[in-house]
This record gives sequence, C-alpha cells and structure tokens, in this order.
Amino acid sequence: GEDVEQSLFLSVREGDSSVINCTYTDSSSTYLYWYKQEPGAGLQLLTYIFSNMDMKQDQRLTVLLNKKDKHLSLRIADTQTGDSAIYFCAETHSSASKIIFGSGTRLSIRP
Amino acid sequence: GAGVSQSPSNKVTEKGKDVELRCDPISGHTALYWYRQRLGQGLEFLIYFQGNSAPDKSGLPSDRFSAERTGESVSTLTIQRTQQEDSAVYLCASSMEGTGYTFGSGTRLTVV
Repeated sequence: GEDVEQSLFLSVREGDSSVINCTYTDSSSTYLYWYKQEPGAGLQLLTYIFSNMDMKQDQRLTVLLNKKDKHLSLRIADTQTGDSAIYFCAETHSSASKIIFGSGTRLSIRP
Repeated sequence: GAGVSQSPSNKVTEKGKDVELRCDPISGHTALYWYRQRLGQGLEFLIYFQGNSAPDKSGLPSDRFSAERTGESVSTLTIQRTQQEDSAVYLCASSMEGTGYTFGSGTRLTVV
C-alpha cells in the first residue's frame, strides 16, 4: 500500500542548514509536497515538486527528488528560529486526489 | 473567503454525544478533503469529495463517522456517539485541478 515515512525529530543550530528526509513507496506518485505546521496552526504548503523533476529551489528551500530510490528531501538554508515547526512530506497521484502524509518531522532550532 | 474556514475552532464534548464540524472551502475549489491529526501523530485521511462524483469514504474509521457536502460548497463532518479516541484535530482542505491544497486551521475536538 501507499506509505510515506519520515524521521520524527531534527535539531539544528541557528544559521546552519536543515535537511529533512522522506521516503515513499508508491512509484506512481506524481506530486510530492512539503507542508509546514506551526504550533496551533493549520498546514501551510511550502513547496511541491513534480515526479519528472530532480530539484526545485525556492529562496532558502531546496527540494531534491531521487525517484529511483523514492527519496525526497527538503533543505532549509540558514535556518532561523521561525523555521521551528513540524514538516510533513506528502505524495499524491494527481492534484485532485487524496494526499498521503508522513508522520511529520519536528524541527527544533538551538542557539 | 480568502482561505478555508473551519468551525468551531475548539469543541469539548461529553463521551456519547454527537458533534458536527463545518468546513467552508475556497470558492471555486471543486475538491474537499477531511483529515484527522491525533496528538503527536501524522495526518490520517478520512474522506474526499470531488465535484458531483461519489465521495471517497475509504478513510472513515467507523460508521459513527459521516460527511456531507452540498455541491461545491460547505461540508460537514459528523461524529455520532463520540468516544475518547475521537479526540484530535480535524483538518479540512480544498483544491482545484492544477493548484495546491489549502488547509484550514482545524477543529480541535476533545471528548471528555
């Protein structure tokens, strides 16, 4: 069946880069997403990548996709305290299908 | 409105009572989804509406859960005879073909 897995916790020093990793099992995934959830708030779409792409960069965010290994990563450059949140990896077949989410990675920033 | 609106934002109910949660999607978004997020866990798919097609109810955990949507507008998620394990944040999202998903802020349900 469909499954998305992430590590639960990541701690980085302020100013360093954060790399959050995700693996998925569904080889027919078309869209892969990263969502951010701050405490007490809903989910915010950070970025997404199509399965025919290897990389997407958006300001401090870089998404890398290894389709062969079904591995997705999110790199946050120059991590700031405002980046503290839970980051969810998600995949879907089309932009109008249900999304399968990972359990989320809690990113904490230390001074 | 500009975003997905959910109400109430918080609901405390007694075990065994019924609750109804509401979601107002973004105008024009044909697809609407309900997810559940238990404390410290990831998102669990519940149900998906797409236009006038039959909804995908494959994620509803029991027959105590039901959802309705009128056309492409408001949706309500109803939980009958609530149990303590129903305590969670219930998130609604909407989307339109070719766009991303927009989530509401959720309804935090606490069953006591």
